[in-house]
Amino acid sequence: DAKTTQPPSMDCAEGRAANLPCNHSTISGNEYVYWYRQIHSQGPQYIIHGLKNNETNEMASLIITEDRKSSTLILPHATLRDTAVYYCIVNNFGNEKLTFGTGTRLTIIP
Amino acid sequence: GAGVSQSPRYKVAKRGQDVALRCDPISGHVSLFWYQQALGQGPEFLTYFQNEAQLDKSGLPSDRFFAERPEGSVSTLKIQRTQQEDSAVYLCASSYPVLAERDTGELFFGEGSRLTVL
Repeated sequence: DAKTTQPPSMDCAEGRAANLPCNHSTISGNEYVYWYRQIHSQGPQYIIHGLKNNETNEMASLIITEDRKSSTLILPHATLRDTAVYYCIVNNFGNEKLTFGTGTRLTIIP
Repeated sequence: GAGVSQSPRYKVAKRGQDVALRCDPISGHVSLFWYQQALGQGPEFLTYFQNEAQLDKSGLPSDRFFAERPEGSVSTLKIQRTQQEDSAVYLCASSYPVLAERDTGELFFGEGSRLTVL
């Protein structure tokens, strides 16, 4: 059973903020939200993770709703190099085995 | 520093041949994972090692698939009598174990080995 639901594809103009949504309505109290991305012909790359507080790092921001049933990954100033498939994953912290879905294919348009 | 290295990057095999795919994890990483990624799909878990111990092989699709990590570093994924449905990218990932809240627990992936079975 899929634990997360993401739109299959999105476009975003270069330089604008890219907002990628993820629904995880069945998330349990000890599960974190992880985001990875996969650029063409490369392996997935970790972006960010969070439990219930909003998180920010050098790559992105993660906004998690108060009920934790959904979240949004924000790339504040998208560049062409951000074109990739973005995966939202819910997982117990410390459980390194990841279950990927089909993700969102984000295309940054010049 | 060096990341996860996989070889070969590309492999073409005739149906029925055996293949071996190699993974060199990041030095010192305890955990090692193999994933299979079919075209247009997300990666799917195959097997997991902690040091030399194979703790989970629930994702291996058949007994034709075998993985080993004899010295707790380099790992090999072997596929016997390859079939066309084995065509995919095989991804290897490694990580430290999560020890503290501040640890990300992230997996570091290699670029994968693309297997095409004719």
